Amino acid sequence: NAGVTQTPKFQVLKTGQSMTLQCAQDMNHEYMSWYRQDPGMGLRLIHYSVGAGITDQGEVPNGYNVSRSTTEDFPLRLLSAAPSQTSVYFCASSPRIVYEQYFGPGTRLTVT
Amino acid sequence: AQTVTQSQPEMSVQEAETVTLSCTYDTSESDYYLFWYKQPPSRQMILVIRQEAYKQQNATENRFSVNFQKAAKSFSLKISDSQLGDAAMYFCAYRSAGTSGTYKYIFGTGTRLKVLA
Repeated sequence: NAGVTQTPKFQVLKTGQSMTLQCAQDMNHEYMSWYRQDPGMGLRLIHYSVGAGITDQGEVPNGYNVSRSTTEDFPLRLLSAAPSQTSVYFCASSPRIVYEQYFGPGTRLTVT
Repeated sequence: AQTVTQSQPEMSVQEAETVTLSCTYDTSESDYYLFWYKQPPSRQMILVIRQEAYKQQNATENRFSVNFQKAAKSFSLKISDSQLGDAAMYFCAYRSAGTSGTYKYIFGTGTRLKVLA
């Protein structure tokens, strides 16, 4: 199993550009989520999904969109990047019964 | 709303010694899960240990153990025989057991652990 994979590992965007951060898992996990990590603030939940076709907002959803058309994939879309979205982004997944999360390696995003 | 507080931004420990990282949380729920995650310089988040709130017995995983005080809403992590590879950022996290219909994890702000040779 590859576990949770994220692409790209690094990305630089200009203000106003759009992009999609990819996340995939091959463990047939029902739950998937996106976090951003900023210095001194821990991990904050952006969006999450409890199954294909079902998504919900987390703590900091503004400026981000998600969809979950398959169990495996959970992309995060930035519609119009802003410098405040400069951060490290983590995708995570977990099965229904076991409650710990499995994290991807993260994407470092810089918006100039 | 639930909150998780890690009041120690940074801790240091001598190699082979024992260190305790603190975590407190606030919740009105009776059933939940608590976790400690480790984030080394590689940035990868790794589960260290988990504790179910309904269990009175403290969880242990090799050199890692917790002191779970449900009434005090405290969940500290003890690392025994510290090794250089333990140097990392440690995050405490809370997850509802789902009775309220939420899946959300709440993370603390982290404690950076330095291990001195």
